Amino acid sequence: NAGVTQTPKFRVLKTGQSMTLLCAQDMNHEYMYWYRQDPGMGLRLIHYSVGEGTTAKGEVPDGYNVSRLKKQNFLLGLESAAPSQTSVYFCASSPLPDRLSTDTQYFGPGTRLTVL
Amino acid sequence: KNQVEQSPQSLIILEGKNCTLQCNYTVSPFSNLRWYKQDTGRGPVSLTIMTFSENTKSNGRYTATLDADTKQSSLHITASQLSDSASYICVELIKAAGNKLTFGGGTRVLVKP
Repeated sequence: NAGVTQTPKFRVLKTGQSMTLLCAQDMNHEYMYWYRQDPGMGLRLIHYSVGEGTTAKGEVPDGYNVSRLKKQNFLLGLESAAPSQTSVYFCASSPLPDRLSTDTQYFGPGTRLTVL
Repeated sequence: KNQVEQSPQSLIILEGKNCTLQCNYTVSPFSNLRWYKQDTGRGPVSLTIMTFSENTKSNGRYTATLDADTKQSSLHITASQLSDSASYICVELIKAAGNKLTFGGGTRVLVKP
């Protein structure tokens, strides 16, 4: 199993350009997440999905859109990139939560995005 | 202000030595407290998950402890190895908030030979 994969690994954008980050998981997980990680700060949740065809806003959703058309894929879109979106983006997936919510989130390797 | 604070921000230890990382959280009650290891350029990997009723959990040379009275958790690394060089992230899961995960900023550990 490849686990959680992300493409691309690196990207440089100019302000105002758009792009889509792709996340794929082969563990048949119901839940998928997009986070951003900035220096000195904890990971922050952008959007998440609890199943195919569903999405929800996380802690920092502004400037991003997502889609979950297939269970194994979760796409993160930037319609008009801004320098404040320079960050490392991580995708994660997890199975349905158990009674004590001790399900593990599995993270992808990350996408390093720079917006000039 | 982050609700999960970690200390120290970074530390250097010699190979073979032990070290302890600290995590203070503010939201209570919570469902579980997690520790992740993140190698440079990689995604976080789960080390331990402790529910509110557990006060210690081990994963090989990693031992996490939890004190719900003081709202503190610690991660102890025994007999450190060069491969332990990484960031260690403390994470709180609050079920009442829709299984919201709150991440600490991490402690960067460098193990030197």
